[in-house]
Parts: sequence; structure tokens; C-alpha cells
Amino acid sequence: DTGVSQDPRHKITKRGQNVTFRCDPISEHNRLYWYRQTLGQGPEFLTYFQNEAQLEKSRLLSDRFSAERPKGSFSTLEIQRTEQGDSAMYLCASSIGGYNEQFFGPGTRLTVL
Amino acid sequence: AQRVTQPEKLLSVFKGAPVELKCNYSYSGSPELFWYVQYSRQRLQLLLRHISRESIKGFTADLNKGETSFHLKKPFAQEEDSAMYYCALRVKTSYDKVIFGPGTSLSVIP
Repeated sequence: DTGVSQDPRHKITKRGQNVTFRCDPISEHNRLYWYRQTLGQGPEFLTYFQNEAQLEKSRLLSDRFSAERPKGSFSTLEIQRTEQGDSAMYLCASSIGGYNEQFFGPGTRLTVL
Repeated sequence: AQRVTQPEKLLSVFKGAPVELKCNYSYSGSPELFWYVQYSRQRLQLLLRHISRESIKGFTADLNKGETSFHLKKPFAQEEDSAMYYCALRVKTSYDKVIFGPGTSLSVIP
């Protein structure tokens, strides 16, 4: 499968724990995006990278959230001290440049107990 | 403020009937609009974008700047069209950001 992949697909954690998600974009794509989707809502933009540079962060992204793309390839999204309100589907997407189609991964579903 | 609204959470139509999924946007700049679709157990994927002016799977969407709308239409619905549809707006600033609407779940009744 040469599409965007995300790992894990599901994560259940207890409140207060840290979690980390991984996204592997399509190999030649220089742009990588993170979104969060809660029930009944569309995806909400969190942050995006062009190569290894993080260019924009949403106000939704509190200081408990951090994202990296160290070598301009895969990216990680870490949530520290998880809260029940963090329960959501976390989507990753990638594209070539900013004005081309974004290809989405299957998402990581986080449940915080 | 930039915003995308989809007034219908659920829409049911009979097979063969016309379907229209509504989308309105709020944006002071020149809008670039998309429709994304998510079929059951599949990932979100692009259906069409207004700048392409193309018909995909029989669907079309026309940007109406006066009414700030980008409704998705298909003259004859098929069962395989049942899915979640999201309207999205690209905000053209110094960075690249796509704002999604809340989505409409389309159910085509056989």
C-alpha cells in the first residue's frame, strides 16, 4: 500500500498518560497535515509541515500537543497528560505542495478513559 | 471568520432520485472549495474541487459567489453513493489551511 499510513489505528489510554502517534506520508509528498475529528464534526486542522518545518499550528493545539517531522518524512504527534476531551480520531494527510490534493490516512482513534 | 456550514446532518433519497447536498461558506477572500467523501470503512478522499469544473461519479458542484454556496448535485442517486460528504474551504493566506464543514451523511434507499 503506497498511501498514507498511521500507527496505531486505535489507542486506549488512561487520563494523564502520554501518547504518541505516527504518520507515514506518501513518499514524494513534502506537505504533511494533522487533523482532529470528533463525533459529528468534520476534520479540524491542527498543524502542518513543509518538509521538516512546522509552518502553522492551530489554536486548538494546546501546549500539551507537540508534533515533529524530523527528517521531512514521517511525523509524530504527541499528547502529554491526556484528558478525556482529547478522545477523537486523529487524521494525517499529505500532499505535494500546498495547492494539490491532500491524501488522507486511515486515522488513529484515541480513547481516553 | 472563515467557516463552512452544511445544514443537513442526514439526507435520505431513493435510488434514481436527484440529490443535492448543501454547502455554504464564509470567507472574505477568493474561495477555493472542495467536496470530500468518506465511504464506509474507507478513508477520506477528494471527490471534486471547484477549480477543476469536472464531474466525478456523476456529481457536480457549482461555486456561487453571490450566495456563497457550493452545493453538490447528482441527477440520479445510486446506492453506492451512500457515504459521508464533507465540504471544505481552502484559506489562501501565507500558510495553507483547509476548513471542513461538519459533514452530511447521505443514505440512498434501494
